Amino acid sequence: EVQLVESGGGLVKPGGSLRVSCAAFGLTFSRYTLNWVRQAPGKGLEWVSSISTSSRFIYYTDSVKGRFTISRDNAKNSLSLQMSGLRAEDTAVYYCVREGLSGSSFDYWGQGILVTVSS
Amino acid sequence: QSALTQPASVSGSPGQSITISCTGTSSDVGSYNLVSWYQQQSGKAPKLIIYEVNKRPSGVSNRFSGSKSGNTASLTISGLQAEDEADYYCCSYVYGSTVVFGGGTKLTVL
Repeated sequence: EVQLVESGGGLVKPGGSLRVSCAAFGLTFSRYTLNWVRQAPGKGLEWVSSISTSSRFIYYTDSVKGRFTISRDNAKNSLSLQMSGLRAEDTAVYYCVREGLSGSSFDYWGQGILVTVSS
Repeated sequence: QSALTQPASVSGSPGQSITISCTGTSSDVGSYNLVSWYQQQSGKAPKLIIYEVNKRPSGVSNRFSGSKSGNTASLTISGLQAEDEADYYCCSYVYGSTVVFGGGTKLTVL
């Protein structure tokens, strides 16, 4: 069974940094593109970033470019999102998400981890 | 990149059919058959229910179906059941290898 387990969330002050991680189980990790998708409290889903199997192709939504860095370690079956220059509007549940092999959809989601940016 | 446009809410009675629209542009929905739909029940992570416009993952009920015409994709749920009450999100690939979601639609089963 595929499981994606996020960790590392919490409360951080505006301008601060935080790293969220995702541990993957039950899949051949290196075969899949991985993504972070976030959801602000009471709001809709927002795609944040993606990283290809070998980390060659990395993409970000415009609002996080230059502040967030996605990375993966295929040897450890782990995905990370390093967030810096955090703003109140970054407050959200962050989901670790697997992209299906057809490359067109998100077929497995973690349970999500809450990141709160507040003074 | 602007979010895809979905109605904020729809409702239907048990046994009825409902359709949720998802309107994008020629840079996303209109150019690629890479529209997916997600169901999010209260307090849970989203679940994939439709991919590549009209394909259902294994285990998803055939009461869920998808279609697309021009820049608008649609999700139809037939034989509405109480358990279908949830938020529904569409999603599309965007030129430039990014992704955009719709704003979400709250489905109420009356």
